[in-house]
Amino acid sequence: EAQVTQNPRYLITVTGKKLTVTCSQNMNHEYMSWYRQDPGLGLRQIYYSMNVEVTDKGDVPEGYKVSRKEKRNFPLILESPSPNQTSLYFCASSQGARETQYFGPGTRLLVL
Amino acid sequence: SQQGEEDPQALSIQEGENATMNCSYKTSINNLQWYRQNSGRGLVHLILIRSNEREKHSGRLRVTLDTSKKSSSLLITASRAADTASYFCATASSSNTGKLIFGQGTTLQVKP
Repeated sequence: EAQVTQNPRYLITVTGKKLTVTCSQNMNHEYMSWYRQDPGLGLRQIYYSMNVEVTDKGDVPEGYKVSRKEKRNFPLILESPSPNQTSLYFCASSQGARETQYFGPGTRLLVL
Repeated sequence: SQQGEEDPQALSIQEGENATMNCSYKTSINNLQWYRQNSGRGLVHLILIRSNEREKHSGRLRVTLDTSKKSSSLLITASRAADTASYFCATASSSNTGKLIFGQGTTLQVKP
């Protein structure tokens, strides 16, 4: 089944404790992206990747890092999480930046 | 940055009625897409309409695009309680980056 998976689905952590949210897709898509969703602010792009080893900042990249060492994986790293990073995070993939995006189920993060 | 803006922000109708949601955008586009999100879950792609298309159908969904007015509408006919969700438009610009930019969504409630 074609899908995007994210782990963990729920995470509670404390300020400053490094964490990684994994994202994997099995559709051989070149384009992958991370979004955060906050009430009243909609979906905002954090980082995106056009292909392996090619990543770039989205609209709200501060406090986040990504890597794309393999085509299928695109982890999101929070080196030193802060409470304002409490949010619902989505990973998505598509064949191209403008094409239909396939979303993961989301990761709900709470930073205390 | 905000591109697609949906109207209304919230809509409540009875089962069997039609639901119409509108999306306006600001810059020239390559395509416009509509997505659905059930509460707290990942977005699901509904339909993609390209800039040279005016209307597209998929089951009970009808999407129109008016590039002269920079607007699109999503019509759901004969709505069902299961259509209760948030609906987002997303625009893919015609610039080189071409990434999707999501609006803030319309929350639709269909009462049984």
